Amino acid sequence: EVRLFESGGGLVQPGGSLRLSCAASGFTFSSYGMSWVRQAPGKGLEWVSGSGNNIYYADSVKGRFTISRDNSKNTLYLQMNSLRAEDTAVYFCARGGGTNTMDVWGQGTTVTVSS
Amino acid sequence: QSVLTQPPSVSAAPGQKVTISCSGSSSNIGNNYVSWYQQLPGTAPKLLIFESNKRPSGIPDRFSGSKSGTSATLGITGLQTGDEADYYCGTWESSLSAWVFGGGTKLTVL
Repeated sequence: EVRLFESGGGLVQPGGSLRLSCAASGFTFSSYGMSWVRQAPGKGLEWVSGSGNNIYYADSVKGRFTISRDNSKNTLYLQMNSLRAEDTAVYFCARGGGTNTMDVWGQGTTVTVSS
Repeated sequence: QSVLTQPPSVSAAPGQKVTISCSGSSSNIGNNYVSWYQQLPGTAPKLLIFESNKRPSGIPDRFSGSKSGTSATLGITGLQTGDEADYYCGTWESSLSAWVFGGGTKLTVL
């Protein structure tokens, strides 16, 4: 069974940093692009970053967030720096990156940016 | 303001049919495949339709997708109370090199 499990969320002060992880299982991780999508409380889905043949970022996080992966550990990461209140959201990782659809999603991890 | 435009809400009675529209432009829907996602309350999104009109394994044929020009449509027939959810369209936005979602449509099964 294909599974994605996010971790690393929590409460952080504005200007702080956090690193999210997404552990993948049930498929050949290295063969797939991967993405991060977030959802602010009561709001819709917002794509954050994707890693396929290339790496892409939403303008709202460009220069602050970095997507990376360790294929030996079947894990996707999102390093988030200079966090702002508007970054508060549930962060989902999803299989599929770049122009490809996101077909499998994790359950999400919550990031709260507040003083 | 989302790049893709969806109606905020739709409703229909059990057993009926409903359609949800998703309007975009030539730089997104017009030249790329559309995906549709269902998000039940408190859960992660689930892929319903990919490549504009294909269903993943396990998705019932009550769900269908179509695309024409710069718009896409999700159709749901034989509505069930369990279909009450938020539905999102999504596609690649070539001008931004970014994936974009519609604002979401809340389906109420009366």
